[in-house]
Amino acid sequence: DIQMTQSPSSLSASVGDRVTITCRASQSIGKYLNWYQQKPGKAPKLLIYAASSLQSGVPSRFSGSGPGTDFTLTISSLQPEDFATYYCQQSYSTPFTFGPGTKVDIK
Amino acid sequence: QVQLQEWGPGLVKPSETLSLTCTVSGGSISDYYWSWIRQPPGKGLEWIGYIYYSGGTKYNPSLKSRVTISVDMSKNQFSLKLSSVTAADTALFYCARADAGYYYAMDVWGPGTTVTVSS
Repeated sequence: DIQMTQSPSSLSASVGDRVTITCRASQSIGKYLNWYQQKPGKAPKLLIYAASSLQSGVPSRFSGSGPGTDFTLTISSLQPEDFATYYCQQSYSTPFTFGPGTKVDIK
Repeated sequence: QVQLQEWGPGLVKPSETLSLTCTVSGGSISDYYWSWIRQPPGKGLEWIGYIYYSGGTKYNPSLKSRVTISVDMSKNQFSLKLSSVTAADTALFYCARADAGYYYAMDVWGPGTTVTVSS
C-alpha cells in the first residue's frame, strides 16, 4: 500500500494568513493526488484533483502543487469558512489511501 | 446535479453482517467508479473499496475477506456488505463517486450514515 503522511497535523492561523499543508507519498504517484476539506459533521469536499487542478466551484485562494512524491495545498488568504480538517488522498493505485489529516483552527 | 444518499441499519450486532445501500439521484450510475469510505469516531478516512458500474471491484486488502460491493443499475444503487463485524467497525460510512477523467478523485459524496456495532 502507498502510505501518505501530512504535516503539520494541526495549525493555528488567523484570517488573512497564507497557509501551506504538505503531503508526502511513500512512492511516486505522478499527479494522482487529491485534496479534501472536511468540516465537523459533514462529508469531505473535493478541493483539488490531479495535484493542482481546482475543482469546479472551489475558490481560487486554494491551490495545489505536485507531481511526484511531495505535494502542497496552499490557501493564499485564509477565510473564516476555511477552518476545517484537510486530507490528501492518492488515487494512483488501490487501495486508495488518505493522509491522517491537518486540522486548521483559529489562532 | 448528482446526489448520493446512504441508508441502512444504524445498529448491528457483533459477528453479524453490516449492509448499506447508496442511492444515486440526478444522474446515471454508468461510467463512474462508486466507492465506500469509512471514518471511525474522531479518526481519519479509510477507503473500503469501489465498484465500476459494469461490476468490476477493488477492495482494501485490510478488509478484503469481509467486504462485498455490488451494483444494481436498474435501481441506480450500489451496496456494501461487511461481514463478521466487531466494535472496531463502528464508523461513519460514506459513499462517493470517483471519476477516471478526474484522476479517480471522489467528487460527489453522500452525507454519511453512522453504524454502531454493539450487542
